[in-house]
Amino acid sequence: SQQGEEDPQALSIQEGENATMNCSYKTSINNLQWYRQNSGRGLVHLILIRSNEREKHSGRLRVTLDTSKKSSSLLITASRAADTASYFCAPLIYNQGGKLIFGQGTELSVKP
Amino acid sequence: EAGVAQSPRYKIIEKRQSVAFWCNPISGHATLYWYQQILGQGPKLLIQFQNNGVVDDSQLPKDRFSAERLKGVDSTLKIQPAKLEDSAVYLCASSLTSGNFEQFFGPGTRLTVL
Repeated sequence: SQQGEEDPQALSIQEGENATMNCSYKTSINNLQWYRQNSGRGLVHLILIRSNEREKHSGRLRVTLDTSKKSSSLLITASRAADTASYFCAPLIYNQGGKLIFGQGTELSVKP
Repeated sequence: EAGVAQSPRYKIIEKRQSVAFWCNPISGHATLYWYQQILGQGPKLLIQFQNNGVVDDSQLPKDRFSAERLKGVDSTLKIQPAKLEDSAVYLCASSLTSGNFEQFFGPGTRLTVL
């Protein structure tokens, strides 16, 4: 399986703190995507990082990718209560028709 | 831009009954996906269409699940007969095409099988 495996499974922090979630995968990828899921907005795409990229930013999000270690991390800076959600990484492999394989996710709780 | 539409939002059925879900992807999106998400787990791909052709259905339980994508636009997913373990949220997603593109997800259909 090429699924992304997120770590930790659950994370609880105070508003204003940074949150870091890690993802490991098992084989070569073309890109890796991060998604967020909460009850209000469903599953939403956050960021896509290609295999030839090492770091990418989007607002308060910073994603890194280390293909030699087959790992990625998602950093949320200055977290807000609205960031409370489950976060999934999903590696994508072209030879599987562009299929995303989701892991079980990291459940982030941001307390006001 | 309208998002991915799904209906119904909720469905409760008895085991051995049949059920169908409908999905309308974002206009112009060639690739359509159906996922099953069991509580506490990440989404699992059931089937992927490119236009009206099946790209991947390796994890679709074909003895009871079927899906079609009429004219390369709307899609239906059917379960017949349903089992207790089919209780899950069924998510439809679409993307411009397969590969280096984000997927846009619909709100899902929460299925409860009693």
